[in-house]
Amino acid sequence: GQNIDQPTEMTATEGAIVQINCTYQTSGFNGLFWYQQHAGEAPTFLSYNVLDGLEEKGRFSSFLSRSKGYSYLLLKELQMKDSASYLCAVLNRDDKIIFGKGTRLHILP
Amino acid sequence: EAGVAQSPRYKIIEKRQSVAFWCNPISGHATLYWYQQILGQGPKLLIQFQNNGVVDDSQLPKDRFSAERLKGVDSTLKIQPAKLEDSAVYLCASSLDPLAGNTDTQYFGPGTRLTVL
Repeated sequence: GQNIDQPTEMTATEGAIVQINCTYQTSGFNGLFWYQQHAGEAPTFLSYNVLDGLEEKGRFSSFLSRSKGYSYLLLKELQMKDSASYLCAVLNRDDKIIFGKGTRLHILP
Repeated sequence: EAGVAQSPRYKIIEKRQSVAFWCNPISGHATLYWYQQILGQGPKLLIQFQNNGVVDDSQLPKDRFSAERLKGVDSTLKIQPAKLEDSAVYLCASSLDPLAGNTDTQYFGPGTRLTVL
């Protein structure tokens, strides 16, 4: 089967750092995406990892370990506008994208 | 650059009625996706088109759902007849051409929120 696991909810404080983990078991692997989705809005692209290691993009970084079937999204210097759901999605060997259920991140002032 | 357009944004129908959604992808994007997103869950792929051909419709409930992409541009998704459990947001997304060897980002439209009463 295909399975993507991420925490349902997380809470963090404005200005802090938060790490959202994602583990996956899929039929093959061709890459992993992170999307941000604000309530009532469509998902927007954050990052794409296909090789092991850390990809940094401003306040957001994404890490991948293919051997462990594991990724995380790291958000630094949290802002209130970062309150959203964060979706982990994996592209399997057939290039089919499978989304996790998303992690709702709440930012407290 | 214009994004993915969808209409309507909201639709309320009674069960057993029919409904259709429309999507216009980003110009030049060969691949178009329809997703169903139930509240509190991630998007679930219903159907993927490459130009006007179907690449994957394995999760499309074909007894009631149908989709087409005539001329390889706009697409419509239809539900007939609707059930209560079809209440969800229907997202359309497009990407350049992942089957050509480029794993491309999917760009999502604003979605259509369907409520079935």
